[in-house]
Amino acid sequence: EPEVTQTPSHQVTQMGQEVILRCVPISNHLYFYWYRQILGQKVEFLVSFYNNEISEKSEIFDDQFSVERPDGSNFTLKIRSTKLEDSAMYFCASSESGINYGYTFGSGTRLTVV
Amino acid sequence: EDKVVQSPLSLVVHEGDTVTLNCSYEVTNFRSLLWYKQEKKAPTFLFMLTSSGIEKKSGRLSSILDKKELFSILNITATQTGDSAVYLCAVHPGGGAQKLVFGQGTRLTINP
Repeated sequence: EPEVTQTPSHQVTQMGQEVILRCVPISNHLYFYWYRQILGQKVEFLVSFYNNEISEKSEIFDDQFSVERPDGSNFTLKIRSTKLEDSAMYFCASSESGINYGYTFGSGTRLTVV
Repeated sequence: EDKVVQSPLSLVVHEGDTVTLNCSYEVTNFRSLLWYKQEKKAPTFLFMLTSSGIEKKSGRLSSILDKKELFSILNITATQTGDSAVYLCAVHPGGGAQKLVFGQGTRLTINP
């Protein structure tokens, strides 16, 4: 069964550093998403991306965050100047036809900011 | 503000028992409600519900939506230890939104 692949599975970074979380969506999918889950809290929407642009973003997704599809297969989330409160599990997801048909999550990247 | 509330937050039962997990929601618009199972990491899709009163079923799991009362239930019959997980309810608010709004999850533990 096709999978959404995320790398790395765990990243530790120093406060103030920039990190890039990488995702390879399912190959024929056109819609891409990032969510995060702070330990013990709800899964929260960050951003959706379609046709090479952001289609929706949450209040969490401020100027510290950016997304990119640098080539035909990768989808990245960049977090600039990381803060302690950015520590969370970050999930990438993709969908063939948008949210109306559900989507597939990757296994996540656990980001720890120290 | 869109909101999804799940109950109970935690549930411990014995293998073979039947469990019912609850999800209520308040959203500006409503398009669909989804259930996911989260074991170690990635949430895995269980059901998508869009219409009231129509039960979705997959093996021992079933789910139904009540759009009038704004809730859904997920039933698991003849539970097994492999059903132990966090079960997440999420709502697609519709209105052009692409996001899902998640509840806090129900942690289900099945003891042998």
